Amino acid sequence: SYELTQPPSVSVSPGQTARITCSGDALPKKYAYWYQKKSGQAPVLVIYDDNKRPSGIPERFSGSSSGTMATLTISGAQVDDEADYYCYSTDSSGNTWVFGGGTELTVL
Amino acid sequence: QVQLQESGPGLVKPSGTLSLTCVVSGDSIISDKWWSWVRQSPGKGLEWIGEIYHTGSSNYNPSLKTRVAMSVDKSKNQFSLKLYYVIAADTAVYYCAVDRSGYHRPDSWGQGTLVTVSS
Repeated sequence: SYELTQPPSVSVSPGQTARITCSGDALPKKYAYWYQKKSGQAPVLVIYDDNKRPSGIPERFSGSSSGTMATLTISGAQVDDEADYYCYSTDSSGNTWVFGGGTELTVL
Repeated sequence: QVQLQESGPGLVKPSGTLSLTCVVSGDSIISDKWWSWVRQSPGKGLEWIGEIYHTGSSNYNPSLKTRVAMSVDKSKNQFSLKLYYVIAADTAVYYCAVDRSGYHRPDSWGQGTLVTVSS
C-alpha cells in the first residue's frame, strides 16, 4: 500500500523557520496537502495543491514540492504553531488517499 | 457555510459493528462533493477511512476495505459509516469531513466523536 513518510518530530525556537518534509513515490505527479492537528481539535488544512494557502491561514505557512518530496515551511514559527502536522496525498490511481505518519512540531 | 456533526454509539463490543452518521447542514448531500471519514486512534496519527459521492460511488482505505461500508441518505441530508467486526484497535476519534470545493482535500470537519471498542 502507498505510504507517505515524515520525520516524527521537528523542534525550533520561536521566530525560526521550521521545515517539515514528506516523501512519497507518487508526489512527482500528485499534489501534497498539509494539515495542522492540535489535541482535541479537528484537523485544519494549511496548504493545498503543494503550495496554496486557504483563506485565513497566515502567510508564514508555505509549501513546496520537488520530485518525491514535499515540504511545509513555517517562517518565523510561533508558539501557537506547536501541533502535529500531517501531509496528505493520493496514490498513482487517484482513488486511495493517505496521511503521512505525522510530525510533532515543538516551538520553544 | 457547511457544518458537519457526527453521531453514534460511543461504545461498541468487539466483533460488533460500529455505526456512525454525519448530518450535513448548510449544503446539500447531492452537491458535487466527496464526503469523507477520517479517524485517529489514541496516540496515533490520522487515518483516511474512505469517501463517498452522493451517487454511491466510493473509495475505501485498502486496509479497511473488507470491513467498511459507507452510504448516503439524501432524504436526511446525511452520510454514514459502518465498520464491521471491530477490534480494540478500531478505538478512535472518528471525523466526518468534506472538501467544499468538490475535490478530495477536506477543509470542513465535524468535531469528531470518540468510539471505544470494549466488552
